[in-house]
Amino acid sequence: GESVGLHLPTLSVQEGDNSIINCAYSNSASDYFIWYKQESGKGPQFIIDIRSNMDKRQGQRVTVLLNKTVKHLSLQIAATQPGDSAVYFCAENIQGGKLIFGQGTELSVKP
Amino acid sequence: GAVVSQHPSRVICKSGTSVKIECRSLDFQATTMFWYRQFPKQSLMLMATSNEGSKATYEQGVEKDKFLINHASLTLSTLTVTSAHPEDSSFYICSARDRRSGLEQPQHFGDGTRLSIL
Repeated sequence: GESVGLHLPTLSVQEGDNSIINCAYSNSASDYFIWYKQESGKGPQFIIDIRSNMDKRQGQRVTVLLNKTVKHLSLQIAATQPGDSAVYFCAENIQGGKLIFGQGTELSVKP
Repeated sequence: GAVVSQHPSRVICKSGTSVKIECRSLDFQATTMFWYRQFPKQSLMLMATSNEGSKATYEQGVEKDKFLINHASLTLSTLTVTSAHPEDSSFYICSARDRRSGLEQPQHFGDGTRLSIL
């Protein structure tokens, strides 16, 4: 695999605050990006995606920003809630439809 | 929404045992499924791409004879960990993409199989 096996960075926020989770991707040819949420003991759950011809996309309480110049993605969660506590991964879609996952960030929401 | 089911969710077995994990797409057909491995507090690492009716393609460093993949139908892929040893203990996760979707559509993930080899 191409993902580096490092331990997860963590982000701790207060309930109601906005969260920003960042991700750097590696392949400049990647054309599609997805953010997934993974709760303990479960598989990744789709949150939002963005294609390379866009630089911003909004969903319900979430926004994804894409900066292709520096190969950077961010996920913004508005009014973070305790139920948002999980590990968040960005993933880039490469040739053949394979996904390469980023390192991940563990989000902890304090009530 | 699209559902992917993995079975079993947890396996505990002795060293030397072979273990089969099933991945099913419940409400869609998938010509391609993917198998990942995840160690605690780490990211998902792609192991192989399972192709319906043909051989799986493995990522660099993944042993084909160790991790046997079979994709005999459009809704089922299996991963067999042969002669498992403690170092094979991990969380194995599969994903599938609806055959009607283009490549720029999200993969749907199962809830993983926790494999523990004693």
